[in-house]
Amino acid sequence: GAVVSQHPSWVICKSGTSVKIECRSLDFQATTMFWYRQFPKQSLMLMATSNEGSKATYEQGVEKDKFLINHASLTLSTLTVTSAHPEDSSFYICSARALAGDGSGELFFGEGSRLTVL
Amino acid sequence: AQSVAQPEDQVNVAEGNPLTVKCTYSVSGNPYLFWYVQYPNRGLQFLLKYITGDNLVKGSYGFEAEFNKSQTSFHLKKPSALVSDSALYFCAVREGSGGGSYIPTFGRGTSLIVHP
Repeated sequence: GAVVSQHPSWVICKSGTSVKIECRSLDFQATTMFWYRQFPKQSLMLMATSNEGSKATYEQGVEKDKFLINHASLTLSTLTVTSAHPEDSSFYICSARALAGDGSGELFFGEGSRLTVL
Repeated sequence: AQSVAQPEDQVNVAEGNPLTVKCTYSVSGNPYLFWYVQYPNRGLQFLLKYITGDNLVKGSYGFEAEFNKSQTSFHLKKPSALVSDSALYFCAVREGSGGGSYIPTFGRGTSLIVHP
């Protein structure tokens, strides 16, 4: 199946610094990628839809100035958590939509990035 | 609007016994249904999907799911559970055939615990 690589897997940073997380589709092109946030033992919360070559679409309640998304190419989307604070600590997961032959557009997920803000 | 319900936060089963993880859905048109599994501190892995055709869908690791249109359900099953199946399972739905949002909606997840 399609492979999505997410980096870094773990990151610890000081409060007030910015952290960038990369999401790459390794063997397919993804015009659309998604960024999720997951709290412990909870479901995925869709943060934003990343569109190649255009602005990301943010879900209600997600601060676009806080969570900067850039989708500069068909294989790379980045999420930058700006001026991180302890409440931003979470597990962030990206996914990319692959156009399957059946048109289902199933999602393939990265391995996730655990962010801890001290 | 589309939605998914996973009524059980946790399912416990003994190794070797059959397991079922429940999922019901709601969409306006024809559903595309998915099951994903998540191991601790990992991303989600695709297990199987239903698009059209046979109601019984077979997927990875011996899992299968049965699409039931009248009950709007897509329960995940496995005939004989393994301890290594212990993980968090997510059901997802989106409206197919070009209608509605192509972004799937995920259930809240069900933690499967298989006891030795």
